Amino acid sequence: EAGVAQSPRYKIIEKRQSVAFWCNPISGHATLYWYQQILGQGPKLLIQFQNNGVVDDSQLPKDRFSAERLKGVDSTLKIQPAKLEDSAVYLCASTNRIWDTQYFGPGTRLTVL
Amino acid sequence: SQQGEEDPQALSIQEGENATMNCSYKTSINNLQWYRQNSGRGLVHLILIRSNEREKHSGRLRVTLDTSKKSSSLLITASRAADTASYFCATDNFGNEKLTFGTGTRLTIIP
Repeated sequence: EAGVAQSPRYKIIEKRQSVAFWCNPISGHATLYWYQQILGQGPKLLIQFQNNGVVDDSQLPKDRFSAERLKGVDSTLKIQPAKLEDSAVYLCASTNRIWDTQYFGPGTRLTVL
Repeated sequence: SQQGEEDPQALSIQEGENATMNCSYKTSINNLQWYRQNSGRGLVHLILIRSNEREKHSGRLRVTLDTSKKSSSLLITASRAADTASYFCATDNFGNEKLTFGTGTRLTIIP
């Protein structure tokens, strides 16, 4: 079975620019997560989708971050405008059932200069 | 905020030795999971232990859970160079479906 796909793998932008990340979860997985992992730390949940509805976005900085999951499959995460502290790896994960094993994509490493 | 704290932060051992890392957490949990992250890669699920379980095995991995002490340990036996990675514990709580990850233990296996 194909894993979680993410693109791009790397992105370098200047502060105040915009950036978007894409995630394609494992086929049939209803739950999709976006995490932010700052160097030296564990992943922090940004947003959780169940199909195309948001379950939890309490830690998403909504003034600059947005995410959508149209048609309950692919998802995009956008940052506009980016700040230096947004430099991190952005991980997408999906699962078949809540509280079950999460399957992670390879992540997108964002560097904001 | 981080729910789990792994200990030690970094660990270096000789190939063939056993590696033990610990995780402590703050609030009551439903499940506790361990994940591995190789450098520059996504996380890979290793093992899940439920709050009513005390020990679980999977190949060379052994996980214990002590809910009275709010702690878990991950033991990797007969370590290999390929085990070099960061290891994270993650917890979820009753009524809260999200996983909260710890800060990780960086394990280095010396050939």
